[in-house]
Amino acid sequence: ETGVTQTPRHLVMGMTNKKSLKCEQHLGHNAMYWYKQSAKKPLELMFVYNFKEQTENNSVPSRFSPECPNSSHLFLHLHTLQPEDSALYLCASSQGQGAGEQYFGPGTRLTVT
Amino acid sequence: KNQVEQSPQSLIILEGKNCTLQCNYTVSPFSNLRWYKQDTGRGPVSLTIMTFSENTKSNGRYTATLDADTKQSSLHITASQLSDSASYICVVTSFSGGYNKLIFGAGTRLAVHP
Repeated sequence: ETGVTQTPRHLVMGMTNKKSLKCEQHLGHNAMYWYKQSAKKPLELMFVYNFKEQTENNSVPSRFSPECPNSSHLFLHLHTLQPEDSALYLCASSQGQGAGEQYFGPGTRLTVT
Repeated sequence: KNQVEQSPQSLIILEGKNCTLQCNYTVSPFSNLRWYKQDTGRGPVSLTIMTFSENTKSNGRYTATLDADTKQSSLHITASQLSDSASYICVVTSFSGGYNKLIFGAGTRLAVHP
């Protein structure tokens, strides 16, 4: 395993629900990332946190709300999602932002009904 | 615009055969290029990394090449195995805004059949 865990692995939610995705890294890294992976499309960077501070938000809709309480944990809070938000959500970490290899978690497969 | 294009989009080969996946990029400035393997239901895992001065890098049966002049890379898989069935993603790193940023290709989906 890569040292990055994500829960849940699968999630089905209605458009009016509120849910959260969790990511934890056991690598001692300082940077953490959220990516969205849709079928046949490149990974899309959503958010970057470096030393718990958000350093990048790639014009992500406000229905996605990240939280980084410490360098080891990253959350993605979801509310009033749309069906087009259905995708694989991947978390990654690296030593520092843009420094060294990014290690990815297994992802959360999200389906919005 | 920084872009990474991969071909083919998908590929089916028989077990034991070789194959080559292509990656063309228009990324500047260029820091390095990685090939990732992503098994179904898992996150991507790095196979190789090459900097500007490197033109080939091997990792077992995987051999990556880089031509920085033509901005092309390839990933050659030798004597394919069923476990090679996965998506292979080309990722180019560019230094921008004070940080290295990753530009991802859409991937090539490889299926190895017995």
